[in-house]
Amino acid sequence: EDKVVQSPLSLVVHEGDTVTLNCSYEVTNFRSLLWYKQEKKAPTFLFMLTSSGIEKKSGRLSSILDKKELFSILNITATQTGDSAIYLCAVNTNAGKSTFGDGTTLTVKP
Amino acid sequence: DAGVTQSPTHLIKTRGQHVTLRCSPISGHKSVSWYQQVLGQGPQFIFQYYEKEERGRGNFPDRFSARQFPNYSSELNVNALLLGDSALYLCASSLEGRGPPETQYFGPGTRLLVL
Repeated sequence: EDKVVQSPLSLVVHEGDTVTLNCSYEVTNFRSLLWYKQEKKAPTFLFMLTSSGIEKKSGRLSSILDKKELFSILNITATQTGDSAIYLCAVNTNAGKSTFGDGTTLTVKP
Repeated sequence: DAGVTQSPTHLIKTRGQHVTLRCSPISGHKSVSWYQQVLGQGPQFIFQYYEKEERGRGNFPDRFSARQFPNYSSELNVNALLLGDSALYLCASSLEGRGPPETQYFGPGTRLLVL
């Protein structure tokens, strides 16, 4: 059975801190790994990763995939209170399945 | 441009009842996927439809069914509701339909409470 595990489950930091969120996976026939941010209801797309070692970057957020060790990390630098959200990792397979992790709840205090 | 829309936003049902949830994709998107998100967990994939055909199905019982209409909107139906069906039901639309969507846009969800 395909599995995606995120850690930590929750994290509390202060504004300006840097955080690293982890996502490990065990799936058959990997296709891509995606990161989403979920604030109230609808998850919003952050990154899609398909190749190992290539960093994707958007402002203060960046992510990288290691296909050999089967994990990805999401980094957020200089955190702001608006970064408070649940961060979801999802893995898509060529068999047509999409498996989400249970998310990391990030709280950024002023 | 309107994003993905879902209706209703909230719903309360009792055990054994039936429910229909609706989703309209972004204009031009032909693929719709449904997810169930129980509190404290990540979304669980239920179905994907593309061009009115089922393209993917998650591990959900036959009480769950869906369809897609010629205008690409979609309905998710759940029969014989159980307490455990209480969740946020998310719909996502995307352009592509081959395999799970890479770039998909989520609607605001329907929060279902089963009493």
